[in-house]
Amino acid sequence: QVQLVQSGSELKKPGASVKVSCKASGYTFSTYGMSWVRQAPGQGLEWMGWINTNTGNPTYAQGFTGRFVFSLDTSVSTAYLHINTLKVEDTAFYYCARVGILGVDYWGQGTLVTVSS
Amino acid sequence: DIQMTQSPSSLSASIGDRVTITCRASQGINNNLNWYQQKPGKVPNLLIYAASALQSGVPSRFSGSGSGTDFTLTISSLQPEDVATYYCQRFNSAPPLTFGGGTKVEIK
Repeated sequence: QVQLVQSGSELKKPGASVKVSCKASGYTFSTYGMSWVRQAPGQGLEWMGWINTNTGNPTYAQGFTGRFVFSLDTSVSTAYLHINTLKVEDTAFYYCARVGILGVDYWGQGTLVTVSS
Repeated sequence: DIQMTQSPSSLSASIGDRVTITCRASQGINNNLNWYQQKPGKVPNLLIYAASALQSGVPSRFSGSGSGTDFTLTISSLQPEDVATYYCQRFNSAPPLTFGGGTKVEIK
């Protein structure tokens, strides 16, 4: 069965960096893209962008350019979200989600990133 | 960018009631719309894809309709386990894959 397993919660100070991983299993990694979605506490879902797992080409939504980087390690079917120069307002759950021709279908369990001094 | 507007932002209904949630796109998106359910403290779950197709395992009381700019998610008979926030999301080859703002459904 399809599974997306994310890395555990992170507590970081402002200005630090964080890397969230998302390991896929149960399907051929390169045949579906991978989206990243942010959900701040008590807020709605924000689509951050996606990465083409076949070409490695990332696409970032407005508001997620510059400090946010999507990457892959296809040898281990894993996608990564890097966030640099963390800000308090980056505190949120970050989800990876598989995306195909019919949109997002499977989600990771979410990774809570807390940014606090 | 295409904007997705959901209404209402919240609603309260009784068990057994018919519940309708609306999602409007600022431009036509054909039937490229999905609906997700997010229960409190849980991961979002795909309910409806391509505007009206029921995802496997989803109860038949859920249905979706619409095309172009106006879409509807209907719960034919509200159950206690349907307490959740519901989101629409557009999809196609042109990002961003914007989410609607969400509709919180509670039991009266």
